Amino acid sequence: QSALTQPASVSGSPGQSVTISCTGTSADVGAFNYVSWYQQYPGKVPKLMIYDVNNRPSGVSIRFSGSKSGNTASLTISGLQPEDEADYYCSSYTSSNTYYIFGPGTRVTVL
Amino acid sequence: EVQLVESGGGLVKPGESLTLSCEGSGIIISSNSVNWVRQAPGKGPEWVSTISSRSSFIYYADSVRGRFTISRDNAKNSVYLHMNSLTAEDTAVYYCARDHSRSAYMDVWGKGTTVTVSS
Repeated sequence: QSALTQPASVSGSPGQSVTISCTGTSADVGAFNYVSWYQQYPGKVPKLMIYDVNNRPSGVSIRFSGSKSGNTASLTISGLQPEDEADYYCSSYTSSNTYYIFGPGTRVTVL
Repeated sequence: EVQLVESGGGLVKPGESLTLSCEGSGIIISSNSVNWVRQAPGKGPEWVSTISSRSSFIYYADSVRGRFTISRDNAKNSVYLHMNSLTAEDTAVYYCARDHSRSAYMDVWGKGTTVTVSS
């Protein structure tokens, strides 16, 4: 069972916005600004979309944004496009006896 | 092209061992921590292990601690994952991923190598 909690799926029509939540604890999401988000297409390698809560790597669309409040981080996709249909995973650094933890993933469906 | 290249995956029987390698190509990884992340069929990524740049700090997931050993050879620009006592639950695609040098996120990933544990 994942230490981070994400909704199994979210959906939206093209042009709409969707938000994916990622809930952790005071030992991970709440304690550090080291939340990252990865996009993954079936059979492909995860791609970094957001790092350090709200930063976009070069080349990632500005339609992707991140935020955090308390123990919950969020990824928002604005202006939803068909190519955004993928699985999205949050990850956080943790002060527990490990290093990183991942969420179980959220399937984004473009209606 | 900047990339990490994993190798060493394959089909093994339960209880057997396997060593995975991760080499930087067009990228020097000696100054970075490096992670192994695995993904079982139909599941999300699972962090497995991290080694710091000089091997001073090593971390393992509870699911592999005591069975897996991470190591590195900076002269060869490589990181390794030695896996013992493999079970069917270890069947997955294993990725190596570089940690950003000034933060805690994985910015460069390899394409992965597949490990299948089956009798």
